Amino acid sequence: GAGVSQSPRYKVAKRGQDVALRCDPISGHVSLFWYQQALGQGPEFLTYFQNEAQLDKSGLPSDRFFAERPEGSVSTLKIQRTQQEDSAVYLCASSIGTSGGYTFGSGTRLTVV
Amino acid sequence: KQEVTQIPAALSVPEGENLVLNCSFTDSAIYNLQWFRQDPGKGLTSLLLIQSSQREQTSGRLNASLDKSSGRSTLYIAASQPGDSATYLCAFRGPASGGSYIPTFGRGTSLIVHP
Repeated sequence: GAGVSQSPRYKVAKRGQDVALRCDPISGHVSLFWYQQALGQGPEFLTYFQNEAQLDKSGLPSDRFFAERPEGSVSTLKIQRTQQEDSAVYLCASSIGTSGGYTFGSGTRLTVV
Repeated sequence: KQEVTQIPAALSVPEGENLVLNCSFTDSAIYNLQWFRQDPGKGLTSLLLIQSSQREQTSGRLNASLDKSSGRSTLYIAASQPGDSATYLCAFRGPASGGSYIPTFGRGTSLIVHP
């Protein structure tokens, strides 16, 4: 597609519920990043894929967070047993390579109640 | 760990002023630095990308410079307009452990341009 697409745009989850956030990157983009952005803060790195390989997951805050990109295109960020502190905007970005610029999606705003 | 600092955190100016937004980073081994704009409730829109071999990039009223030796990038906005009101974020990208190149963001400068 022409840009990075994220769905859903908004998600309200009850505490303890599992959620799955989808990212559809620009076709052909090798690199894919997930970021978490709390209100009034800059985006914080969660995890990075190069094609289907998850090369860095050092930013995932707990083992409740899991990301996959099985075919090297669409990626899913899954959060199990959501907590209130998980409320944030989750941003996905893709890049054609390792040194180029990158394009962000509009994000998924997750609210845990 | 790479640290990216943006100054000022917030800025409120009358329309027409020329603005300077600063971004500093701690690691001189840089691949590129990218400036983004974020409107409330929206994703990030890329403004300018400066590769490590470049000194500056220009797009319309925007000019971004890169000084690797001092660890700084500056975004100049000429003749500011109310439509420029947004949060401006800089992202540093450099080599990291494991061979990945993770962009690190500053916290942003929140800009309000009033008529």
